[in-house]
Amino acid sequence: EAGVTQSPTHLIKTRGQQATLRCSPISGHTSVYWYQQALGLGLQFLLWYDEGEERNRGNFPPRFSGRQFPNYSSELNVNALELEDSALYLCASSPGDRATGNTIYFGEGSWLTVV
Amino acid sequence: GQNIDQPTEMTATEGAIVQINCTYQTSGFNGLFWYQQHAGEAPTFLSYNVLDGLEEKGRFSSFLSRSKGYSYLLLKELQMKDSASYLCAVRDKYGGATNKLIFGTGTLLAVQP
Repeated sequence: EAGVTQSPTHLIKTRGQQATLRCSPISGHTSVYWYQQALGLGLQFLLWYDEGEERNRGNFPPRFSGRQFPNYSSELNVNALELEDSALYLCASSPGDRATGNTIYFGEGSWLTVV
Repeated sequence: GQNIDQPTEMTATEGAIVQINCTYQTSGFNGLFWYQQHAGEAPTFLSYNVLDGLEEKGRFSSFLSRSKGYSYLLLKELQMKDSASYLCAVRDKYGGATNKLIFGTGTLLAVQP
């Protein structure tokens, strides 16, 4: 069974540009989470989608946005890139909001470098 | 507020036992997770506790006390490959729905020969 897959693995953008990161959850999982991990820092929660809806949002500016598609895949968009957006962006999935005891599984992440 | 505390760094010797503590304060609670993360890689799931007590899985065990807001991860028979960051995460619960995982900053464990 395929795990959480993310693309691209690495992305280099210049300041002010937009970046789009993609995530496919484990088959059967309806919840997708996005986390940012800047170098030397912990995982910071960005967004949570379940059944196509945004369920929760972390303390990030509006230029961080995303969506979840009918097939439960998701994309994260970062507009007006700033140097401090350089980080590892991790996507995770779980079976869904209403099932208790759900383990969250992570993808390998997308490294975004802003120059 | 929401807060998860772990020691920043720990050092242990190969073959020994190490305990990594985690304390948490969250508005709700619906489970505590431990993840292992090697440098430059994604976190991998280690354990999950939702009830008080000890969960054992091979060389790894995790303990939870909900009344104390406390958990620990116990690693036995340490191996060099156990050198990694260990992340404590709490699944918050708001209203009737489960919620996001809130992560601590992680404990960087160095295993020495």
